[in-house]
Amino acid sequence: ILNVEQSPQSLHVQEGDSTNFTCSFPSSNFYALHWYRWETAKSPEALFVMTLNGDEKKKGRISATLNTKEGYSYLYIKGSQPEDSATYLCAFLGTDKLIFGTGTRLQVFP
Amino acid sequence: KAGVTQTPRYLIKTRGQQVTLSCSPISGHRSVSWYQQTPGQGLQFLFEYFSETQRNKGNFPGRFSGRQFSNSRSEMNVSTLELGDSALYLCASSRGEGSAYNEQFFGPGTRLTVL
Repeated sequence: ILNVEQSPQSLHVQEGDSTNFTCSFPSSNFYALHWYRWETAKSPEALFVMTLNGDEKKKGRISATLNTKEGYSYLYIKGSQPEDSATYLCAFLGTDKLIFGTGTRLQVFP
Repeated sequence: KAGVTQTPRYLIKTRGQQVTLSCSPISGHRSVSWYQQTPGQGLQFLFEYFSETQRNKGNFPGRFSGRQFSNSRSEMNVSTLELGDSALYLCASSRGEGSAYNEQFFGPGTRLTVL
């Protein structure tokens, strides 16, 4: 059974703080790693699809890094805003289907 | 461009009944995947379709089935419903083959409650 783990499970930060969370996945048979943001009452929204070891991707204040050899990815949010409040999901593609983690729930207080 | 649509949005059924959920992908997307989310669980992969063919299937019993039509619309069927089937069912579409290599665009989901 392939496990994708995310930590922490939840996080509360003040507006303006920078934060980061981790996605751990099996380091063998790696094909791709996805990050999604899921706001309450909305659909999951794709942030990044990462395929290469050492990949770094950025979208506005959000960025992600990937280490396939050790099996982890970090998601960073710089200067968190209340609208960043959401659950952040990662998903690992090891063979032929995506396996999702249970997410990190981020709450940003004004 | 319209997003992924799912119908119905909410559904209440009783144990033993069967249900069909529908998903219309973004125009031009040929790959559709289905996921189940239950409380405390991450998204669990159900199936993936491309060009009317099931490409992959998750670890769900045979009561869960699906199909894709020539216009890329997809349906998911659950027969002999059980209480544990109560969940949010999401579908996602993506361009091209091998949806897991491409970003997926999710629909709003169908919330199924089994009484």
